[in-house]
Amino acid sequence: DAMVIQNPRYQVTQFGKPVTLSCSQTLNHNVMYWYQQKSSQAPKLLFHYYDKDFNNEADTPDNFQSRRPNTSFCFLDIRSPGLGDAAMYLCATSSLGRNTEAFFGQGTRLTVV
Amino acid sequence: AQRVTQPEKLLSVFKGAPVELKCNYSYSGSPELFWYVQYSRQRLQLLLRHISRESIKGFTADLNKGETSFHLKKPFAQEEDSAMYYCALKTNAGKSTFGDGTTLTVKP
Repeated sequence: DAMVIQNPRYQVTQFGKPVTLSCSQTLNHNVMYWYQQKSSQAPKLLFHYYDKDFNNEADTPDNFQSRRPNTSFCFLDIRSPGLGDAAMYLCATSSLGRNTEAFFGQGTRLTVV
Repeated sequence: AQRVTQPEKLLSVFKGAPVELKCNYSYSGSPELFWYVQYSRQRLQLLLRHISRESIKGFTADLNKGETSFHLKKPFAQEEDSAMYYCALKTNAGKSTFGDGTTLTVKP
């Protein structure tokens, strides 16, 4: 029944080794978001897509990139993970329009060793 | 820039007691406000939104534009309400900003 699916649930990567996290949705939502959440902190928006239009947050490091090849899939690429990038990464979707809520995936917990 | 503040990181009440989770916001536009909840080992999910003016699982929240608040309330807390609660503000551009969250523990 899961509508927003993130793979994998847990990812361990080496310092500096590129890693890709994936998200898929069955809701056909126009908007997809990537959030970074560190322990005891609020989810922090990294970027989002309106359909194919990419919107980067001003303070998102260049190390973080994203791809959305179609409506259903969105990827988060971390080009050179550092120890400070260890976090939970949340994917969410929403439809367009006012007062529409976000639907979240289970998250991917990234560990950098 | 928009901001959401949840002043209490931890809140503990006894079963049957009233509970209020505070949320204050700052935003120059017309805000859309939400409460999200995360139960243990589950994904973040919507609890309620201000526009609906509904009660979900006994929780209500009223948007007070004068005080820029959107506090979450329940008259009689239950043990199953123990969870992490996030207040979120969505801007006119569709971006959501989350508060740091409040961990609610309801003791038997």
